[in-house]
Amino acid sequence: DAKTTQPPSMDCAEGRAANLPCNHSTISGNEYVYWYRQIHSQGPQYIIHGLKNNETNEMASLIITEDRKSSTLILPHATLRDTAVYYCIVNSSPRGSQGNLIFGKGTKLSVKP
Amino acid sequence: DTGVSQDPRHKITKRGQNVTFRCDPISEHNRLYWYRQTLGQGPEFLTYFQNEAQLEKSRLLSDRFSAERPKGSFSTLEIQRTEQGDSAMYLCASSSRAYEQYFGPGTRLTVT
Repeated sequence: DAKTTQPPSMDCAEGRAANLPCNHSTISGNEYVYWYRQIHSQGPQYIIHGLKNNETNEMASLIITEDRKSSTLILPHATLRDTAVYYCIVNSSPRGSQGNLIFGKGTKLSVKP
Repeated sequence: DTGVSQDPRHKITKRGQNVTFRCDPISEHNRLYWYRQTLGQGPEFLTYFQNEAQLEKSRLLSDRFSAERPKGSFSTLEIQRTEQGDSAMYLCASSSRAYEQYFGPGTRLTVT
């Protein structure tokens, strides 16, 4: 089972920041938080990951709370093309480096004009 | 295009038939994954290869499913004696680092 909890859906106005929350209260000290998104009829796309520090790349920013029990993915200026299902994933492979991702149901983000 | 490719994109088959899907990963990636996704759900892990070695298989991968990755390049996923419950999107992903995976467009299987 997924080790994360996300709201099933969110709306965001085009051009505004989209803040997608994720709870992972049982995260272990060596587990990373990964975010993927899946645009309709496409395969998932890697966005960003982090361990304890905040991270930023060209797609998004990831804010992880100090206790690491929750995180927020921020899309600073959402566009209509950001409409997708966003998955928050905690590294939960017991063998660490295998890499099989365990997806939950994610958050369906709808960006509206 | 140097991304992950999958073939075919769509497959309709009758119950009881065998089907085979192909995945061509990004060339320098040694890791290859298969996932299955049904409507409204997130993808579910099926199996993982590192080079040509199949290192992990999910309990979802019944005896009717087999996957290969000869020579550590492309991979095939075969389903024997298909059932209606096998209808799903089959996704392939490749990576050089465990959790940063690059997914293909998927093969949509419909079993009638």
